[in-house]
Amino acid sequence: DAMVIQNPRYQVTQFGKPVTLSCSQTLNHNVMYWYQQKSSQAPKLLFHYYDKDFNNEADTPDNFQSRRPNTSFCFLDIRSPGLGDAAMYLCATSTKGWLAGNIQYFGAGTRLSVL
Amino acid sequence: AQKVTQAQTEISVVEKEDVTLDCVYETRDTTYYLFWYKQPPSGELVFLIRRNSFDEQNEISGRYSWNFQKSTSSFNFTITASQVVDSAVYFCALSDTTDSWGKFQFGAGTQVVVTP
Repeated sequence: DAMVIQNPRYQVTQFGKPVTLSCSQTLNHNVMYWYQQKSSQAPKLLFHYYDKDFNNEADTPDNFQSRRPNTSFCFLDIRSPGLGDAAMYLCATSTKGWLAGNIQYFGAGTRLSVL
Repeated sequence: AQKVTQAQTEISVVEKEDVTLDCVYETRDTTYYLFWYKQPPSGELVFLIRRNSFDEQNEISGRYSWNFQKSTSSFNFTITASQVVDSAVYFCALSDTTDSWGKFQFGAGTQVVVTP
């Protein structure tokens, strides 16, 4: 089945130690999104790619970076994780993100703990 | 500006009861889309429905039904004869042409707890 896959499902890192989360998709969608979701909150968009064009949200901290080496893969890098970065990180994909109304398909998420 | 309000933080029901989740939205656009997603404890957001602003027909899919009313800017979701597997957080979301990327404005979510 076509899907959005996130690895790992659970990630534990140490305060200040760089960590990378990965997302892959078999949907061949040209838009990929990264969201941060803290407990009992709605997902918060960090950034997205339209093909190779990177679009950062204005309030996304510089500590968060992303890479998209090809259509299928997208990575979230947290350069120096702080305790406040502990959260669920969700990857999503859609077609033609410049049109409103495109369904976003989500992965199962990576739950990040920072010790 | 876009805004989505899900006023119910948590709803608890006993299995087989019906449950209705409210969603009220604000947008200046005449063209927009509304969505419902389900987030079970496993964490994945599962797409349930998309409705565009020009289609006010209500929809039924199995035990799920949606009532879209532009006059009250509401897009409510009813689960009929709830089951334990319906326990999840449900998010309503809005996408309009304010943002050409089709970015979602999520509501805060409603936690549904169904007990046997």
